[in-house]
Amino acid sequence: GNSVTQMEGPVTLSEEAFLTINCTYTATGYPSLFWYVQYPGEGLQLLLKATKADDKGSNKGFEATYRKETTSFHLEKGSVQVSDSAVYFCALSASGGSYIPTFGRGTSLIVHP
Amino acid sequence: DAGVIQSPRHEVTEMGQEVTLRCKPISGHNSLFWYRQTMMRGLELLIYFNNNVPIDDSGMPEDRFSAKMPNASFSTLKIQPSEPRDSAVYFCASTPPWVAGGPFLETQYFGPGTRLLVL
Repeated sequence: GNSVTQMEGPVTLSEEAFLTINCTYTATGYPSLFWYVQYPGEGLQLLLKATKADDKGSNKGFEATYRKETTSFHLEKGSVQVSDSAVYFCALSASGGSYIPTFGRGTSLIVHP
Repeated sequence: DAGVIQSPRHEVTEMGQEVTLRCKPISGHNSLFWYRQTMMRGLELLIYFNNNVPIDDSGMPEDRFSAKMPNASFSTLKIQPSEPRDSAVYFCASTPPWVAGGPFLETQYFGPGTRLLVL
């Protein structure tokens, strides 16, 4: 079946530090890959996506590249801000799984001033 | 525009009681999803509806859980009887109509969730 594995958190950084959150996946078919963000007390919001190999999704300074050879979709940001503190979810949607979404466990990011 | 509306936002109940969670999807959306989020299991899809019809309920944990969508603007998730292990945050999400393929994840709009505590 489909699965998504994310690095465990929390990830604690100082403002302006470089961020990487690792995500790897297994899927049947050809998945689309996503990063969602969940701010405290809110539901998930789409952050970025990539629908085929070598695509790069980007939004709000975050980016992730769909790497089919390593089945990865790592999230990066060059300089984090306190306002980026949230939980980040990697997810996939694949035709082989009837498009039922599969989420990772989420990674909490805490950014200190 | 109003987003997905869920009620109540918080619910505390005692074991054995019936719990009903409510969701109003975004107007015009024709698919609705119920998720459960816990520290142990992460985010799980429980059930989803398309045009008010349940399409896949394989994620519903057991017979104590039931979900209905009587019309395009309202859905309920009921737990009867509730147990402490049901304590979680329950999210509802909706998506607009899609042209082909499955429920593409990027178009899902999540509600703020209902935090349920069963004592």
